[in-house]
Amino acid sequence: GNSVTQMEGPVTLSEEAFLTINCTYTATGYPSLFWYVQYPGEGLQLLLKATKADDKGSNKGFEATYRKETTSFHLEKGSVQVSDSAVYFCALIKYGGATNKLIFGTGTLLAVQP
Amino acid sequence: DAGVTQSPTHLIKTRGQQVTLRCSPISGHKSVSWYQQVLGQGPQFIFQYYEKEERGRGNFPDRFSARQFPNYSSELNVNALLLGDSALYLCASSSRVGLATNEKLFFGSGTQLSVL
Repeated sequence: GNSVTQMEGPVTLSEEAFLTINCTYTATGYPSLFWYVQYPGEGLQLLLKATKADDKGSNKGFEATYRKETTSFHLEKGSVQVSDSAVYFCALIKYGGATNKLIFGTGTLLAVQP
Repeated sequence: DAGVTQSPTHLIKTRGQQVTLRCSPISGHKSVSWYQQVLGQGPQFIFQYYEKEERGRGNFPDRFSARQFPNYSSELNVNALLLGDSALYLCASSSRVGLATNEKLFFGSGTQLSVL
């Protein structure tokens, strides 16, 4: 079946450090891939997405590239801020399917210290 | 425009009780999905309703049920609560039953259910 595996957290960084959160997936066919972010006490917000191989999603300084050959979608940011502290979820979906069911990874807590 | 709204925000129940959670989708959205997020884990798909019909069901016991009303709002019911049902329950809405590439799911802030 389809699944998503994320690196375990917490990830603790100093402000302006480089961030990488690893995500790999298992899926039949060609899923679309997402990164969602959850700030404390809030719901999920879509951070970025990529719908086909070699696509790069980007938003708010975050980037992730859909790598079909390594079945990966790692999240990166060149310089993190304290306000980036949140839980990050990698997820996949099959667009145009019978449902809009998202499959999520377990989440990675990022804590950025000033 | 209002986003996806859920009520209540917090709820405390005891084992064996029943609970009803409510969700109002974004205006114009006809699909509502429910997810369970246990502490430290990613959200798990429970149900999707579209045009008042169940369109998808995750791997949850029959104690979990849901329905969608003519105004597209939805209720999630959980009977015979167990300690393991303690979680954040998220509702998400979209305009279609299956997402197109230019669409996204909109999530509410969730209902935090604690079962004692």
